Amino acid sequence: QQQVKQSPQSLIVQKGGISIINCAYENTAFDYFPWYQQFPGKGPALLIAIRPDVSEKKEGRFTISFNKSAKQFSLHIMDSQPGDSATYFCAAPQTRGGNQFYFGTGTSLTVIP
Amino acid sequence: NAGVTQTPKFRVLKTGQSMTLLCAQDMNHEYMYWYRQDPGMGLRLIHYSVGEGTTAKGEVPDGYNVSRLKKQNFLLGLESAAPSQTSVYFCASSYSRGNTIYFGEGSWLTVV
Repeated sequence: QQQVKQSPQSLIVQKGGISIINCAYENTAFDYFPWYQQFPGKGPALLIAIRPDVSEKKEGRFTISFNKSAKQFSLHIMDSQPGDSATYFCAAPQTRGGNQFYFGTGTSLTVIP
Repeated sequence: NAGVTQTPKFRVLKTGQSMTLLCAQDMNHEYMYWYRQDPGMGLRLIHYSVGEGTTAKGEVPDGYNVSRLKKQNFLLGLESAAPSQTSVYFCASSYSRGNTIYFGEGSWLTVV
């Protein structure tokens, strides 16, 4: 059973456009929601993260929106740039009742110049 | 600051051979993880450890064993490699449960 469901699988955006990636979860034991960015040949690296006591967090061009009641969170990349082309993973660690750290299946983002 | 270091980076194995992937972290993290990454499957947890001397199964543990004899090292073993274990393997660590997880650069394993 997939703990974190991510969509879309791939995304193509024009330079300057907005990229939106969505994730949904079921387990209410999750209370930390990070997004990871992975470039080809590299390991994933933390991009931005949110805790459920806030509904939105912004860092530069990257924003996480969090909807606790719907159990959904999304990543918005404003003014997308070709350098943003990468695979993005949402994630959620168990903080109660377990120790596992679950990842979504990833979204391959391509930003066209 | 090296962070999380994995060795080897690339390896080709024949079916039935055994090997060990080595992971070292220099951040004094308690938690360590082994993931495998396959196209369309994302990152799937194989085994993890919550401290020196402890190990636990993740989502896809079959065919793998692990050991955490020292806090800074986490070893992943394949006793009898199978083609289905062809994958990219990532080691990761975190300070505690529910905190940022840091990844190594990955180990590309091909089983023929």
